[in-house]
Amino acid sequence: DAGVIQSPRHEVTEMGQEVTLRCKPISGHNSLFWYRQTMMRGLELLIYFNNNVPIDDSGMPEDRFSAKMPNASFSTLKIQPSEPRDSAVYFCASSLRTGGGETQYFGPGTRLLVL
Amino acid sequence: AQTVTQSQPEMSVQEAETVTLSCTYDTSENNYYLFWYKQPPSRQMILVIRQEAYKQQNATENRFSVNFQKAAKSFSLKISDSQLGDTAMYFCALAPYGNKLVFGAGTILRVKS
Repeated sequence: DAGVIQSPRHEVTEMGQEVTLRCKPISGHNSLFWYRQTMMRGLELLIYFNNNVPIDDSGMPEDRFSAKMPNASFSTLKIQPSEPRDSAVYFCASSLRTGGGETQYFGPGTRLLVL
Repeated sequence: AQTVTQSQPEMSVQEAETVTLSCTYDTSENNYYLFWYKQPPSRQMILVIRQEAYKQQNATENRFSVNFQKAAKSFSLKISDSQLGDTAMYFCALAPYGNKLVFGAGTILRVKS
């Protein structure tokens, strides 16, 4: 299995620009998670989906952030407009299902730098 | 609220020796799972070990083992025969019902030759 795939791996953009991060979960996994990692705040869960439906988006910092999962094999995290404080590593993870403490498998992350 | 505390920001160990990383947690749930993840310099998050709270037996994966003390809400990770490739940030994580992982702040482990 290819594991969780994220693109791009690195993104440098200017403040105010729209940024779209992409994720392909492991085939057969029903749950998908978006995390953000910064030095100051550590690893934070932004949002997670179960069977393509957003279950908990309480971690999404503000309305500038949005996430979609149009089908079982693809999800996006969009930031519009981006700000320097959004600079972080964004991880996507997937698991077989939620509710049972299933192991989450992480992608390699997208390192975002907003200038 | 669920919390995970890793009280050791950094640790170092000589190659081939044993090291223990500490983790305490708090949850009101009776059913939950605990994890240790490793994040090497590549930043990839890698599962090290998983423990189900209802199991008394401590989980073991090759050189990695845990000491799970449910009453004390403690979940330490022991690495035996440390190798240079074990150098990484280690995160303890708690998953109460619903699989929403809560991570600790992490412990940087440096293995010295």
